[in-house]
Amino acid sequence: EAGVTQFPSHSVIEKGQTVTLRCDPISGHDNLYWYRRVMGKEIKFLLHFVKESKQDESGMPNNRFLAERTGGTYSTLKVQPAELEDSGVYFCATNTGYNSPLHFGNGTRLTVT
Amino acid sequence: QKEVEQNSGPLSVPEGAIASLNCTYSDRGSQSFFWYRQYSGKSPELIMSIYSNGDKEDGRFTAQLNKASQYVSLLIRDSQPSDSATYLCAVNRGDTGNQFYFGTGTSLTVIP
Repeated sequence: EAGVTQFPSHSVIEKGQTVTLRCDPISGHDNLYWYRRVMGKEIKFLLHFVKESKQDESGMPNNRFLAERTGGTYSTLKVQPAELEDSGVYFCATNTGYNSPLHFGNGTRLTVT
Repeated sequence: QKEVEQNSGPLSVPEGAIASLNCTYSDRGSQSFFWYRQYSGKSPELIMSIYSNGDKEDGRFTAQLNKASQYVSLLIRDSQPSDSATYLCAVNRGDTGNQFYFGTGTSLTVIP
């Protein structure tokens, strides 16, 4: 079984530029989550998809962040325009349903300079 | 108040000893509890999940849950150098929100 795949693994962009992160879930996992970890802090929730629908986006920091999950398959997270405080590791995770454990991708390390 | 708190460490134990990692959570409605291990630069990987009060053992790992005290712990017996990593506690309500809340992690070093 292929795991959760994220790319790019690293991205370095300048303030004001746009970056798009992609996540390919484990096949059959309807739930897809985006999380972010800033250095020294806990992993924090950004949003949750059930198939193609946004179930909860209460963790999205502001309207510079836009997530999509077309057709309920892969998901993208776009940051536009990027700010310095957006730097961190962005994790995608998927699971099969409530109470089931999350399976994480390797993350995208975003650095905004 | 943070949703999930862990003893921050770092924690160092000699090889062969028992490592004890602790976690408390604030939401009494939490239903599922997980321990993840994260090596530097890698993604978190699931070690244990526990849903009911009491102990759950899997090889050298034992998870303990006490919902009344809002406390979950992980014991690692016969610690090995390969156990050196950051251990993350995660808690989930299991309802429609289905958010997972994570602690900041405890860094464990097993000294050969």
